[in-house]
Amino acid sequence: RKEVEQDPGPFNVPEGATVAFNCTYSNSASQSFFWYRQDCRKEPKLLMSVYSSGNEDGRFTAQLNRASQYISLLIRDSKLSDSATYLCVVNSQSGATNKLIFGTGTLLAVQP
Amino acid sequence: DAGVIQSPRHEVTEMGQEVTLRCKPISGHDYLFWYRQTMMRGLELLIYFNNNVPIDDSGMPEDRFSAKMPNASFSTLKIQPSEPRDSAVYFCASGWARGQPQHFGDGTRLSIL
Repeated sequence: RKEVEQDPGPFNVPEGATVAFNCTYSNSASQSFFWYRQDCRKEPKLLMSVYSSGNEDGRFTAQLNRASQYISLLIRDSKLSDSATYLCVVNSQSGATNKLIFGTGTLLAVQP
Repeated sequence: DAGVIQSPRHEVTEMGQEVTLRCKPISGHDYLFWYRQTMMRGLELLIYFNNNVPIDDSGMPEDRFSAKMPNASFSTLKIQPSEPRDSAVYFCASGWARGQPQHFGDGTRLSIL
């Protein structure tokens, strides 16, 4: 089982739609969670951190369910510029190592 | 503020040649990471450093790959000899603390013919 799993999509939605992505992780000891965004042929960029109580940044809402070990990202009022791949990221701690594990990403295509 | 700087942006070379990728992390970041991204395997961590010391190199695919960080502002990833299956985008990222977000460079698109 992969440490971080996402539905690869693609999610094709019209402008203005609400879309949600889910991600599951296997390491119950994980403490840090993030969503990154990656545009075609660009580097991944931090979209937002995910906090235990859930958090919102404009049209974006992230939630964490530790009991079920999943993370979600909700995008409201989708814009054409939201088209990108969204990467779910979880930190993995084991002994002295502490690294971020990236999911393979969910592709979102917002249609005019 | 300058972000993570990688060079070259693109590299095309023939198999068997040595390839050296370079990275300058964000000043003040103690962690530096090298990743490889392909369509088939996604983003894979190759190795990371903390305060210039390699901490985890379990992702380095084989002995042909090596990485160094001689000082806090510079790191290299070397492939010798290179093979066509090494073709990928190689990203360098830096971060300021354990488990905190990482900031990525623009990447090096490597093609081995």
